[in-house]
Amino acid sequence: AQSVTQLDSQVPVFEEAPVELRCNYSSSVSVYLFWYVQYPNQGLQLLLKYLSGSTLVESINGFEAEFNKSQTSFHLRKPSVHISDTAEYFCAVRRGNRDDKIIFGKGTRLHILP
Amino acid sequence: EAGVTQFPSHSVIEKGQTVTLRCDPISGHDNLYWYRRVMGKEIKFLLHFVKESKQDESGMPNNRFLAERTGGTYSTLKVQPAELEDSGVYFCASSPRGVSNYGYTFGSGTRLTVV
Repeated sequence: AQSVTQLDSQVPVFEEAPVELRCNYSSSVSVYLFWYVQYPNQGLQLLLKYLSGSTLVESINGFEAEFNKSQTSFHLRKPSVHISDTAEYFCAVRRGNRDDKIIFGKGTRLHILP
Repeated sequence: EAGVTQFPSHSVIEKGQTVTLRCDPISGHDNLYWYRRVMGKEIKFLLHFVKESKQDESGMPNNRFLAERTGGTYSTLKVQPAELEDSGVYFCASSPRGVSNYGYTFGSGTRLTVV
């Protein structure tokens, strides 16, 4: 079975500062990895995904995540955050090559401080 | 294309009553998933439909929950009778079949409050 650990439930960071949201996963099979974001009063949106190939994946709004197989991590980073990045971020995993359920982490609330 | 639609967006019911949540997936998506997030906890998988068949219902909490997807289009999730611990946000997601690299499209959720 797969599982996802997001150790930080909340991360406060000043505007324009860099941020890293940590995610570790466990699985005995190959997996696809995802980051979802939930902005206040909205649904879940896919931020980025790792399927195969380049271990560094990027989103359109400046976030990036790097797949590290040896450390079973998929941390999310942004070099400079904005107030509009205030949201809850969920790391998720799914077995590769299967129409399978996605397993979510507990989420990390990103608080942007002015 | 239209996204995944869920309604109602909010529902407040009394303990012991019945509530039915509805999810309309993206047209043509055979896979439909239900998830739930109880306040302060993780988003938990409930079940997975492939067309009208239940592929995986391992996450359904108990027999007070009944999910259907007649005709393989929209799905309903009925809670009968509702208990206080059923409060939370219920999400629905859909994806096309056989496209395993697709990161599901989620609906905006139904916030259920049982009082």
